[in-house]
Amino acid sequence: SQTIHQWPATLVQPVGSPLSLECTVEGTSNPNLYWYRQAAGRGLQLLFYSVGIGQISSEVPQNLSASRPQDRQFILSSKKLLLSDSGFYLCAVEDDYRGIYGYTFGSGTRLTVV
Amino acid sequence: GIQVEQSPPDLILQEGANSTLRCNFSDSVNNLQWFHQNPWGQLINLFYIPSGTKQNGRLSATTVATERYSLLYISSSQTTDSGVYFCAVGAGGTSYGKLTFGQGTILTVHP
Repeated sequence: SQTIHQWPATLVQPVGSPLSLECTVEGTSNPNLYWYRQAAGRGLQLLFYSVGIGQISSEVPQNLSASRPQDRQFILSSKKLLLSDSGFYLCAVEDDYRGIYGYTFGSGTRLTVV
Repeated sequence: GIQVEQSPPDLILQEGANSTLRCNFSDSVNNLQWFHQNPWGQLINLFYIPSGTKQNGRLSATTVATERYSLLYISSSQTTDSGVYFCAVGAGGTSYGKLTFGQGTILTVHP
């Protein structure tokens, strides 16, 4: 089975500072990977997804970017954080077990921009 | 894009009660999943159910794809069932596994 690691768990950053959140997956190869953001505890918004190394698709124009330097590594970044970037960031990997496409989520990073 | 509407937005139960959560979606889907988010934020996949019925212990789910809705049943609720329940759908094709989430149902189970 797959394991997904996400860190850090919490982060407080000043406005204008850079950001780097990392997500790694074990137990699978060439997975589809996703970054979601959840604001105010309701509803998840898809930010980026990747179907392979170096392949990134953006869903929402914003102050963030993503990269996939290795098959099982997905990074979310920003050069200069805004107050509106605060939220709960979740990485997910798509399981494909006998045609059952379930998601497994990481434990998330709570980002507060001050 | 696909719209996902969940109801009720909030639900308060006494331990032992049964409940039904509903998810309506606006277009055909080939991917539908139910998730539970615990008070610490962890999202757990409950069901992958683009059609039909599945059961897992006290939980069961039914999706009627032709009528564009899904139901999640919780029987004999326990305090550990508290949290937010999300329905998420995907249309597949070039959408890969991208999911659109509903706003969730906040369930509170009192002892």
